[in-house]
Amino acid sequence: QVQLQESGPGLVKPSETLSLTCTVSGYSISSGYHWGWIRQPPGKGLEWIGTIYHSGSTYYNPSLKSRVTISVDTSKNEFSLKLTSVTAADTAMYYCANMEYQLPSRYWGLGTLVTVSS
Amino acid sequence: QSALTQPASVSGSPGQSITISCTGTSSDVGGYNYVSWYQQHPGKAPKLMIYGVTNRPSGVSDRFSGSKSGNTASLTISGLQPEDEADYFCSSFTSVSTGVFGGGTKLTVL
Repeated sequence: QVQLQESGPGLVKPSETLSLTCTVSGYSISSGYHWGWIRQPPGKGLEWIGTIYHSGSTYYNPSLKSRVTISVDTSKNEFSLKLTSVTAADTAMYYCANMEYQLPSRYWGLGTLVTVSS
Repeated sequence: QSALTQPASVSGSPGQSITISCTGTSSDVGGYNYVSWYQQHPGKAPKLMIYGVTNRPSGVSDRFSGSKSGNTASLTISGLQPEDEADYFCSSFTSVSTGVFGGGTKLTVL
């Protein structure tokens, strides 16, 4: 079955770049589906970050657009998130998921907690 | 884009039915039949419960149903069970080809 797993540093300093990778198993990332990132600050709700289509087209949350990049590495069957100039407000659990019509669908990663602190 | 509006909390007794609303605008919920609902238990990743307003993924109980009227989507859970106690989030496709979530609703089974 399709499985997703997030990986990356759990601690990032303010003003630096947050970088996360989502490794997909059980499905070839280039075969179709779209892929995306969602985050959830501690004790709060979900926030849509962005989506990348298998064509390479990307769509980002307007409030994060200037700082976000989502990319795909088909050779490694993974996709990535980069968020620049982070602040404490970017502290959250970050989830990757497959996306349909820009919405997370049935396959989610377990999530990875990223804390922004010096 | 503004978050969709959900009640902060709802509650019901085992066996009862409850409905959670999700209100947006004509630029999201009202304009497209792409509304999804997720269930999240503490410390767990969200789980897709409804997609395309009314569709259930395989494996999701038929006690869960979705609907939409105008700019408001709804999730109804019938025959409440203790394991239904969780947070529920709605989401919608938007007119600028992004997604947006509701603030979440905490369901308590009394």
